[in-house]
Amino acid sequence: DAGITQSPRYKITETGRQVTLMCHQTWSHSYMFWYRQDLGHGLRLIYYSAAADITDKGEVPDGYVVSRSKTENFPLTLESATRSQTSVYFCASSVVKGGFYGYTFGSGTRLTVV
Amino acid sequence: AQSVTQPDIHITVSEGASLELRCNYSYGATPYLFWYVQSPGQGLQLLLKYFSGDTLVQGIKGFEAEFKRSQSSFNLRKPSVHWSDAAEYFCAVGAGASGGSYIPTFGRGTSLIVHP
Repeated sequence: DAGITQSPRYKITETGRQVTLMCHQTWSHSYMFWYRQDLGHGLRLIYYSAAADITDKGEVPDGYVVSRSKTENFPLTLESATRSQTSVYFCASSVVKGGFYGYTFGSGTRLTVV
Repeated sequence: AQSVTQPDIHITVSEGASLELRCNYSYGATPYLFWYVQSPGQGLQLLLKYFSGDTLVQGIKGFEAEFKRSQSSFNLRKPSVHWSDAAEYFCAVGAGASGGSYIPTFGRGTSLIVHP
């Protein structure tokens, strides 16, 4: 089924562990984004990518790593998870070439770091 | 740099009453503007968007928004609220056709509470 898929939907991990959140889109959208959502802060941009192999930092990149070897995938890795990274993470995508139509979001990953 | 302000953290309305959620943006040119809704435990769903043209935009679920350049505002309205409209609402701005990196900036959200 076409769309943007995030996995896992829920994740509990321990402090200090590495964890990777997956994001996959089937539209070949050029832009992809990772946001975290926290009470009182709304959505904050972690990293974004304008195309395969092109990534850049957003507002809150510390402690996170991204890669984009293929257009359709944009994984987010927490290299050494901390409790402050407990949050809901949203992936989004957007097409720009040929027309801009806005942003589409995945269903989110709820991450708890214990 | 672009920014979005949603001045109201919470809004409480009675079912059947009208609704207006405020959104003010900061951007040097005509931006792309969006309203998203998020039900508890769910992702963000696009309600409506403004790119250009008619400043009154119709969206899904009976919502509309009006772009007012002079006030840098993009307020969301609904004439009669239903209990199912209780959710979190986010206004967002993206760089417009004048250029930019198409990175959206979101407001902190307004929580809508609907009383029966």
